Amino acid sequence: RKEVEQDPGPFNVPEGATVAFNCTYSNSASQSFFWYRQDCRKEPKLLMSVYSSGNEDGRFTAQLNRASQYISLLIRDSKLSDSATYLCAVNRGDDYKLSFGAGTTVTVRA
Amino acid sequence: DGGITQSPKYLFRKEGQNVTLSCEQNLNHDAMYWYRQDPGQGLRLIYYSQIVNDFQKGDIAEGYSVSREKKESFPLTVTSAQKNPTAFYLCASSITGTMNTEAFFGQGTRLTVV
Repeated sequence: RKEVEQDPGPFNVPEGATVAFNCTYSNSASQSFFWYRQDCRKEPKLLMSVYSSGNEDGRFTAQLNRASQYISLLIRDSKLSDSATYLCAVNRGDDYKLSFGAGTTVTVRA
Repeated sequence: DGGITQSPKYLFRKEGQNVTLSCEQNLNHDAMYWYRQDPGQGLRLIYYSQIVNDFQKGDIAEGYSVSREKKESFPLTVTSAQKNPTAFYLCASSITGTMNTEAFFGQGTRLTVV
């Protein structure tokens, strides 16, 4: 089983729609969780950290479900500029190194 | 501006050649990493370093070598032993000492074997 798995998508949604997707992780000892955004042929950039209580940043909401070992990202009121690949990153148990999923591609259409 | 700088952005290598990818950061981060990204795949860890003069193999270290002589610099050499080196290489850094620490990435180097 891979350390971090994501639905590759693509999720093709109209502007203004809500899109949500998950990322599962295998190491129950993981403590740190992040969502990164990666544009085509660019480096990943941190979108948001994921906290135990869940957190929101504008139109983006991240949730953590420790019991089922997954994190989620929800994007409300999608914009064309939200089109990107979203990578989840999870630390390796008691280690600070991050393992990354392969990414979920989101395409927002006009 | 603080950040991570990778160079070159594009690199072409002939079969059998060694090439070195540069990574410099001025964020005063202790930890630095090299990842490889292939199309449709996640980032795979090649090497990482927590402190100067110390580094550890990641998941796919074969055919690669690194050095960490300065805190700011973590160059990666792709040797001729790496059988499939064409990929997008990403250098990252982070602080250590705390678990909830994100990694910051450089702009990447796209290596192609010709």
